[in-house]
Amino acid sequence: EAAVTQSPRNKVAVTGGKVTLSCNQTNNHNNMYWYRQDTGHGLRLIHYSYGAGSTEKGDIPDGYKASRPSQENFSLILELATPSQTSVYFCASGGGGAEQYFGPGTRLTVL
Amino acid sequence: QQQVRQSPQSLTVWEGETAILNCSYEDSTFNYFPWYQQFPGEGPALLISISSVSDKKEDGRFTIFFNKREKKLSLHITDSQPGDSATYFCAASIPTGGNNKLTFGQGTVLSVIP
Repeated sequence: EAAVTQSPRNKVAVTGGKVTLSCNQTNNHNNMYWYRQDTGHGLRLIHYSYGAGSTEKGDIPDGYKASRPSQENFSLILELATPSQTSVYFCASGGGGAEQYFGPGTRLTVL
Repeated sequence: QQQVRQSPQSLTVWEGETAILNCSYEDSTFNYFPWYQQFPGEGPALLISISSVSDKKEDGRFTIFFNKREKKLSLHITDSQPGDSATYFCAASIPTGGNNKLTFGQGTVLSVIP
């Protein structure tokens, strides 16, 4: 069954540390997305990718980098984590249509 | 600024009642509107969607009503069940040459009381 998985599911990091969130999809979708979810804001797009080797800035990219080394994998990188980046992060994949399929999320706490 | 707005923020209905969740948008180029359902601890899951060429989409107990002129849509959940208790997100898409980025509203938390 096609799926989007994320790791880790929970992460506690220290301010100034580097954090990498990973996402893997078996949908064979070209497009992948990283969102963060905060109360009162819904889901906000951080970075997205059209395919292996490509990354594009979303609506709130500051403080984040992304990497798409393969069709299946898409990572979100926080080089210098800050408490304001405490949130729940979701990865999604999408094919040629408009539907997106989400992973279970990663809860990140930056102390 | 918020391009997609949802109301109310939270809604409580009795089992068997119809829940009505509202959504409005600003950008008239949006042409696809999915609704996602999210249970605690899980990712959002696509529930039902509508394109701007239709004014109604029905799937079982879930119906979207779309008013293009007023840039509003609503999700009606008839015969609400306790299992429908979840957060519902309205989203909108602008065609961008194959990468259909979604803009989400802030969500409505629905509680269905048995």
